Amino acid sequence: SQQGEEDPQALSIQEGENATMNCSYKTSINNLQWYRQNSGRGLVHLILIRSNEREKHSGRLRVTLDTSKKSSSLLITASRAADTASYFCATVPGSSYKLIFGSGTRLLVRP
Amino acid sequence: ETGVTQTPRHLVMGMTNKKSLKCEQHLGHNAMYWYKQSAKKPLELMFVYSLEERVENNSVPSRFSPECPNSSHLFLHLHTLQPEDSALYLCASSQAENEQFFGPGTRLTVL
Repeated sequence: SQQGEEDPQALSIQEGENATMNCSYKTSINNLQWYRQNSGRGLVHLILIRSNEREKHSGRLRVTLDTSKKSSSLLITASRAADTASYFCATVPGSSYKLIFGSGTRLLVRP
Repeated sequence: ETGVTQTPRHLVMGMTNKKSLKCEQHLGHNAMYWYKQSAKKPLELMFVYSLEERVENNSVPSRFSPECPNSSHLFLHLHTLQPEDSALYLCASSQAENEQFFGPGTRLTVL
């Protein structure tokens, strides 16, 4: 099955609330990355967290990584309607250049 | 703008046609990628080029033929495609295993 599986598949929240998305993976990784995609468009990189890091912040985004559980979470605080998009986690196994994507979480932020 | 451009943005072709997708990156990266994104499926890595050499071919049918003439340009040559090849084709570039920068994609429809 796919490396990098997101949970939940879909999430609907009210503007101002926090959104949490989870990602699980199966093999050892070099780093894990989160991307955002607006409908039918290219992906935009959000955050990269390396295997020796546990937490990283960027603006309203907070990413955690637990390599013992092979899981990561993306928290978006104080969500806005403009955050509506699909969010993907992707893992880089070993020293490879490959990015292996999960199926994504579709986030809807209601105004 | 991510620094990665793709042309054309939309393409409709018959099964007997030959066409090419073009990708150009202006970021000085040393790796370039082709991905396929179909409805309800995770993003699929097709090809990886590092320093103009193909380092990954994810069991892609021979009707897809990549070409990387230099570190800034990547092509995907298409011939005798099938309707199930209709998808969004995304190009990306990166510096080694770091974050990838995606183009806007080419929406391909095979009739």
